[in-house]
Amino acid sequence: EAQVTQNPRYLITVTGKKLTVTCSQNMNHEYMSWYRQDPGLGLRQIYYSMNVEVTDKGDVPEGYKVSRKEKRNFPLILESPSPNQTSLYFCASSSRSSGRNYNEQFFGPGTRLTVL
Amino acid sequence: RKEVEQDPGPFNVPEGATVAFNCTYSNSASQSFFWYRQDCRKEPKLLMSVYSSGNEDGRFTAQLNRASQYISLLIRDSKLSDSATYLCVVSQGTGNQFYFGTGTSLTVIP
Repeated sequence: EAQVTQNPRYLITVTGKKLTVTCSQNMNHEYMSWYRQDPGLGLRQIYYSMNVEVTDKGDVPEGYKVSRKEKRNFPLILESPSPNQTSLYFCASSSRSSGRNYNEQFFGPGTRLTVL
Repeated sequence: RKEVEQDPGPFNVPEGATVAFNCTYSNSASQSFFWYRQDCRKEPKLLMSVYSSGNEDGRFTAQLNRASQYISLLIRDSKLSDSATYLCVVSQGTGNQFYFGTGTSLTVIP
């Protein structure tokens, strides 16, 4: 089954404790992105990657890191989480050549992060 | 100024009604346009892309007006299952920078 998976789905942590949220897709998509969703602000793009070893900042990259060492994986790293990073996080993947629509994004199920 | 603006609603409509959502975007260089649907606490899913010529998928019709930087979604014969939040999305730059509106909430009432 074609899908995007994220782990963990739920995480409660404390300020300053480094964490990684994993994202994996099995559709051989070249593009992957991370978003956060906050009430009243909608989804905002944190980082995106156009292919292996190619990443770029989105709208709200501060406090986050990413890496793209393999095509299928795109982990999100919070080196020193703070309470303002409490949010719902989505990973997404897409390809210009797949999906029923040009550049359709497929989203993972989300990771709900709470930083105390 | 936000890249994409939507009326948050909520829109509460009876079954069978026709409802229209609007969205404006600020960057005239925006390349691709989409409507996504998001159910409560779930991931967004593509509803339809929006093409310059307008496009229709069953009960759903999307329109794009590049001159006015305006996107619309029309839902005819609303069903209870249409209740969700509808997200307007535009892409810019290389096509992988995406900007989402905050969403419009729709509830279809029996």
